Amino acid sequence: AQTVTQSQPEMSVQEAETVTLSCTYDTSESNYYLFWYKQPPSRQMILVIRQEAYKQQNATENRFSVNFQKAAKSFSLKISDSQLGDTAMYFCGYSNSGYALNFGKGTSLLVTP
Amino acid sequence: GAVVSQHPSWVICKSGTSVKIECRSLDFQATTMFWYRQFPKQSLMLMATSNEGSKATYEQGVEKDKFLINHASLTLSTLTVTSAHPEDSSFYICSARGGAAGTDTQYFGPGTRLTVL
Repeated sequence: AQTVTQSQPEMSVQEAETVTLSCTYDTSESNYYLFWYKQPPSRQMILVIRQEAYKQQNATENRFSVNFQKAAKSFSLKISDSQLGDTAMYFCGYSNSGYALNFGKGTSLLVTP
Repeated sequence: GAVVSQHPSWVICKSGTSVKIECRSLDFQATTMFWYRQFPKQSLMLMATSNEGSKATYEQGVEKDKFLINHASLTLSTLTVTSAHPEDSSFYICSARGGAAGTDTQYFGPGTRLTVL
């Protein structure tokens, strides 16, 4: 079974600064999908960014970008110019086409003024 | 696009009663929907995978007779918690796989908070 590990239970960053959340995964598949979801206090899961394993180029979405290292099985999320609204739980997820997401335990991010 | 709704958003029921939760994909067709359970300050735990027109696939340890799942159409899946007990109190979240073809992206509903007294 595929496992997803988020080694940082909690992180804090000041507004306007940059923060990187770590995620590693274990799989024997060659093609798969990786995701970062954000869960604010409302508990609505919001897709932040996705990466297809066969694409070498790192995905970016405005202030959010990933560092995808396939050989190292690493998928970190970088948040630039952090905003107060970025405060949330962040879950890293792995999916092998058609199957459910495997989530890590999450990283609680607090953005302070 | 890719909006998923859940109803109700919260429900309180007495022990021994049944509760039905609906999950709808509003602007896309979802051949596959998933049901998760989340305890406070924990990650999402997959309960079952629901495919339109076929029986749901349950994860190990999930009682299929207690958590009845029906996926009758491409836009609706329901989870019925039968004979609910206080230990079934939790936050239930559904997701639907769809949107642009080939993205394998899941979009999540807003969740349902179930409290069993």
